[in-house]
Amino acid sequence: DAGITQSPRHKVTETGTPVTLRCHQTENHRYMYWYRQDPGHGLRLIHYSYGVKDTDKGEVSDGYSVSRSKTEDFLLTLESATSSQTSVYFCAISEGQARTPQHFGDGTRLSIL
Amino acid sequence: SQQGEEDPQALSIQEGENATMNCSYKTSINNLQWYRQNSGRGLVHLILIRSNEREKHSGRLRVTLDTSKKSSSLLITASRAADTASYFCATDDLTQGGSEKLVFGKGTKLTVNP
Repeated sequence: DAGITQSPRHKVTETGTPVTLRCHQTENHRYMYWYRQDPGHGLRLIHYSYGVKDTDKGEVSDGYSVSRSKTEDFLLTLESATSSQTSVYFCAISEGQARTPQHFGDGTRLSIL
Repeated sequence: SQQGEEDPQALSIQEGENATMNCSYKTSINNLQWYRQNSGRGLVHLILIRSNEREKHSGRLRVTLDTSKKSSSLLITASRAADTASYFCATDDLTQGGSEKLVFGKGTKLTVNP
């Protein structure tokens, strides 16, 4: 299995609080991605990174920010969590662009009450 | 925007039978990938087929790609209970300069009954 660790694995928090999810990789892959998975919507891209300090928006980026200060870490922040952000969040990594496979972490289940 | 759409949404078969899932997409692509997701886990890459390929095999998996119809199929032969999972197709999207991103479908939920 690709070395991807997501933390925390589960989190329950209240509306309006800040939340940061962490993705850590040991593969030295250039590309890192944050997705959310919701029933009826499948997997949707939030943000991705193509190098240290290089990030771009995905399909559902509103309300989320990301940072990548090191190759191995990609952080996803919800500045002020809302109930609509209750979801399962997945981090993925890949060596190259969309022509190469992505390897996924096991997800963070986030509940916002 | 959803690029790939899997069909059927759910499929239930008996162990030993073959399972076929289909994926349709909307735009020109460089490649199409299939992933499996077991309950409570992340997605696992199964197979990648490039736009200039028509068929690809990996063990009990057979993937076909028809770029003229913008469709792909995933065939799992001699299914096992352990194949129970959701299966997703994913493509890049050349109309969005999308060489850096994959767009996933909503998945087919396969149940293989012992």
